[in-house]
Amino acid sequence: QQQVKQSPQSLIVQKGGISIINCAYENTAFDYFPWYQQFPGKGPALLIAIRPDVSEKKEGRFTISFNKSAKQFSLHIMDSQPGDSATYFCAASMKNAGNMLTFGGGTRLMVKP
Amino acid sequence: ETGVTQTPRHLVMGMTNKKSLKCEQHLGHNAMYWYKQSAKKPLELMFVYNFKEQTENNSVPSRFSPECPNSSHLFLHLHTLQPEDSALYLCASSQGGGSGDEQFFGPGTRLTVL
Repeated sequence: QQQVKQSPQSLIVQKGGISIINCAYENTAFDYFPWYQQFPGKGPALLIAIRPDVSEKKEGRFTISFNKSAKQFSLHIMDSQPGDSATYFCAASMKNAGNMLTFGGGTRLMVKP
Repeated sequence: ETGVTQTPRHLVMGMTNKKSLKCEQHLGHNAMYWYKQSAKKPLELMFVYNFKEQTENNSVPSRFSPECPNSSHLFLHLHTLQPEDSALYLCASSQGGGSGDEQFFGPGTRLTVL
């Protein structure tokens, strides 16, 4: 099972609030979980990534929480800013399967001023 | 030019036309990828090239034909496409082809098939 399920499809957050996007996967062979951010007219860009040997990774206002037993991981954006308004994609790839990313469906985030 | 560039940025073609999409990476990477991004589906990996060799074809119809003449250039040749092939086609590159190698994406080519 290669699917990665992402929710919600869209999210509206007030400036300064916390944005939370969730992803779930089935394949326990996945060993790399990146989050990509995409602005209109641009390609996706890597935001932050985690491997399953840690439960949390923080980079500035962005945090990935990883729950291996539940096969879920989430992106938390603290102190959300209007400039964070973009589409966010979670993804996963497997060891020994090259660098083939399986993407979630995407979440369109709007941060209101 | 820096990063990953794609041309053209927009393309409108009829179902009987033949066209090509071009991708160039200026990062010294060895792996290149084609993805399809449509409104109703997640980003779909189409093809992977590692050191100019195709390592993955994700069950893509033969009307899409990739070509990788060197590690810096990747083409996607299109012929007899269908309206449902209308989408944003993204090219990406990474240093190597191993899991966890960051993929750098181009801005994409917006393709419309009439």
